[in-house]
Amino acid sequence: GQNIDQPTEMTATEGAIVQINCTYQTSGFNGLFWYQQHAGEAPTFLSYNVLDGLEEKGRFSSFLSRSKGYSYLLLKELQMKDSASYLCAVLDSNYQLIWGAGTKLIIKP
Amino acid sequence: GAVVSQHPSWVICKSGTSVKIECRSLDFQATTMFWYRQFPKQSLMLMATSNEGSKATYEQGVEKDKFLINHASLTLSTLTVTSAHPEDSSFYICSAPTLGTSGGIPGGEQFFGPGTRLTVL
Repeated sequence: GQNIDQPTEMTATEGAIVQINCTYQTSGFNGLFWYQQHAGEAPTFLSYNVLDGLEEKGRFSSFLSRSKGYSYLLLKELQMKDSASYLCAVLDSNYQLIWGAGTKLIIKP
Repeated sequence: GAVVSQHPSWVICKSGTSVKIECRSLDFQATTMFWYRQFPKQSLMLMATSNEGSKATYEQGVEKDKFLINHASLTLSTLTVTSAHPEDSSFYICSAPTLGTSGGIPGGEQFFGPGTRLTVL
């Protein structure tokens, strides 16, 4: 079966750095997405990785290792507004998005 | 980026009634739209793929006669929850990919609507 795992909840301090991990087992791979979702709102796109390596975009970076079925989202200089759920999703061989359950990130002052 | 709207944002209805949710792509055409359901503290679950001009494709376990989908134009898809019951209370979200590839993403980047909170009493 297809499976995406990510921690349920993480806590970090304002100004710090946090890494959210995602491991996946899917039928085929056409890329991995990270989305941010604030409570009661729709997800918003953060990043897309299809090749191994690190993609940096401002305070957010996303890493992918296809051989390990592993990705992480790195958030630097955390701000209170970064408190949200972060969803990992993989585009499988049928170009269907397989979603993880999301990681709730709590930022403390 | 592209904008997808949903209407209504929230709805409360009595058990047994039907509720229609609209999903519109405001500044691009979408031959395909996706309908998701999300229960509290759970991930998005794909319910069905809405195809313009043809029947929707439903995921396993989703009753097509209960969740009616109509994709009548390139900018509008509707989801009707028929004879709604309390267990249908959830957050319903639609998304639409841009045509072709966008930023190298196969099938295009998906843009999500703001979601509709359905509460069935």
